[in-house]
Amino acid sequence: GIQVEQSPPDLILQEGANSTLRCNFSDSVNNLQWFHQNPWGQLINLFYIPSGTKQNGRLSATTVATERYSLLYISSSQTTDSGVYFCAVYAGGTSYGKLTFGQGTILTVHP
Amino acid sequence: DAGITQSPRHKVTETGTPVTLRCHQTENHRYMYWYRQDPGHGLRLIHYSYGVKDTDKGEVSDGYSVSRSKTEDFLLTLESATSSQTSVYFCAISTSGRAGETQYFGPGTRLLVL
Repeated sequence: GIQVEQSPPDLILQEGANSTLRCNFSDSVNNLQWFHQNPWGQLINLFYIPSGTKQNGRLSATTVATERYSLLYISSSQTTDSGVYFCAVYAGGTSYGKLTFGQGTILTVHP
Repeated sequence: DAGITQSPRHKVTETGTPVTLRCHQTENHRYMYWYRQDPGHGLRLIHYSYGVKDTDKGEVSDGYSVSRSKTEDFLLTLESATSSQTSVYFCAISTSGRAGETQYFGPGTRLLVL
């Protein structure tokens, strides 16, 4: 099956810093999503981005499908950005939308 | 939150007992999924449903069964709970009407099997 690798595994920032999280995937995908899991465990949708670039406030994401990677940019980080960021992909076909998740990047933002 | 609720939110049970977790949605979406989240493994798909009474296995389905008798409810059953099934369980739906598009997750159920 498709493999999803995220880097870095851990990231520690001071408030106000910028960061880039990366997601590599091993095959063509029909769907790529970024999630933020907050300290209470809730999985929050950030982006649905199988290709191209999207922005939402301080967050933006870019997926280069032909090169099989996606990047999540966080600018002017805040303590509330702390948590785990997951990339998840769907490879299409008859797998009914089953998402395969990466292992996540643990982000800690210090005040 | 796409109108997804899970119940119970927390449960402690003993090895060998049956356990049923419920996922309820309010918006009649066709596709529903059950995942489990464990340290070192991320989120993994247990079972999914593509309509009433239409279900199939995911990558970690052993020891689990599911049922979907109504569009709004997707039940996950551990027939005889084991300690290896201690985990956080998430339900998800696909809101677009097509498989593979944006999925939204419920709040999760923390299950401890003693």
